[in-house]
Amino acid sequence: GAVVSQHPSWVICKSGTSVKIECRSLDFQATTMFWYRQFPKQSLMLMATSNEGSKATYEQGVEKDKFLINHASLTLSTLTVTSAHPEDSSFYICSARTGGTLLGEAFFGQGTRLTVV
Amino acid sequence: AQKVTQAQTEISVVEKEDVTLDCVYETRDTTYYLFWYKQPPSGELVFLIRRNSFDEQNEISGRYSWNFQKSTSSFNFTITASQVVDSAVYFCALSEILRSNYQLIWGAGTKLIIKP
Repeated sequence: GAVVSQHPSWVICKSGTSVKIECRSLDFQATTMFWYRQFPKQSLMLMATSNEGSKATYEQGVEKDKFLINHASLTLSTLTVTSAHPEDSSFYICSARTGGTLLGEAFFGQGTRLTVV
Repeated sequence: AQKVTQAQTEISVVEKEDVTLDCVYETRDTTYYLFWYKQPPSGELVFLIRRNSFDEQNEISGRYSWNFQKSTSSFNFTITASQVVDSAVYFCALSEILRSNYQLIWGAGTKLIIKP
């Protein structure tokens, strides 16, 4: 149980276009979703936290207009990279949390490797 | 301030050797969770263990073992008889109960290279 599916696994897009990454909790309700960015050979950097039905809370230095996060339901959160540029190329990972007996657990998607050319 | 410290950036050992990955954390909370994750070259994070602050028992799972010591704020991870498939980056993480949304605080990661 507790599977998080992230799609796509990898994407190549042209500079200036937008890319949407989906993160779905398949068998549980994700009350909170986290979006991370990981640069090569570095740790995970938290970009934003979103609770279902409310606006995402962005970490300092993360442009909210560039990285649009929508957590419309308890099983789906999306990250849209708008007007992508080569410097947005990175590995993006989502994570979902739930409550109850699984409170405190973190479940991760497979990650999305974004390359902007 | 660094709250989770993985001082070893990279470790390289020969297959079948034992190897210990260090993790030192810092928190003022009395209730917290500690995690270890494995990240192979594919990038997908593989959950290894979660330990809450009230459970100081060491844990063994096959070739993996974890040594949690609150007195030294450490949660070290040992792989016994290492194998080439153990090669990956390993992350230690902390989740503080009082912290909003149980946000994970990540260590910098330790790259483990197992040579055949």
